[in-house]
Amino acid sequence: SAVISQKPSRDICQRGTSLTIQCQVDSQVTMMFWYRQQPGQSLTLIATANQGSEATYESGFVIDKFPISRPNLTFSTLTVSNMSPEDSSIYLCSAGGGISGELFFGEGSRLTVL
Amino acid sequence: AQKITQTQPGMFVQEKEAVTLDCTYDTSDPSYGLFWYKQPSSGEMIFLIYQGSYDQQNATEGRYSLNFQKARKSANLVISASQLGDSAMYFCAMREGLKGGADGLTFGKGTHLIIQP
Repeated sequence: SAVISQKPSRDICQRGTSLTIQCQVDSQVTMMFWYRQQPGQSLTLIATANQGSEATYESGFVIDKFPISRPNLTFSTLTVSNMSPEDSSIYLCSAGGGISGELFFGEGSRLTVL
Repeated sequence: AQKITQTQPGMFVQEKEAVTLDCTYDTSDPSYGLFWYKQPSSGEMIFLIYQGSYDQQNATEGRYSLNFQKARKSANLVISASQLGDSAMYFCAMREGLKGGADGLTFGKGTHLIIQP
């Protein structure tokens, strides 16, 4: 199984600012995924990050708002740009590698935008 | 249309009883995988069990089993002998396509399970 570390674990941000979340995997993985979990809601896939190419964004998510980097096979970042209170969520990084194709998740980054 | 439907927003169950959490799915892909995750109040996502669309037998992992009814497109999670520590959100999820594919998982809205002593 993969161990995934995220930071920051939580932050309180001001409206209009940007924050970058880092995700480190303890093994090389081809695909990394970024999810958003709004308060009391399910997980929604933001984008898929493949090393060496641009991230693929899901409907409703755009690169200008959520730029993603994937510089190598163990690391990725997600930036939440020009934040508004509606961006207050938990952002989770995940990667595959399970025997059954399951995803492993980081602990999540809980962002509160004032 | 929703790909994963969990119709029970919340459930209260007495400790030591068995509990069934419902999940139905919608896909036209003959190859898919179904997953259940547990999310305690601490927030981490814990993988519980997996069922592949071609698996002949229902998956089991300890106290967890998956009641897979392919024709009805349902994949209910059964927890036997529930414990207080089972109190958490439970999410059903699906990946379409072959195992090991490049796609992320699609999650249902979740069921909040509360185990009462």
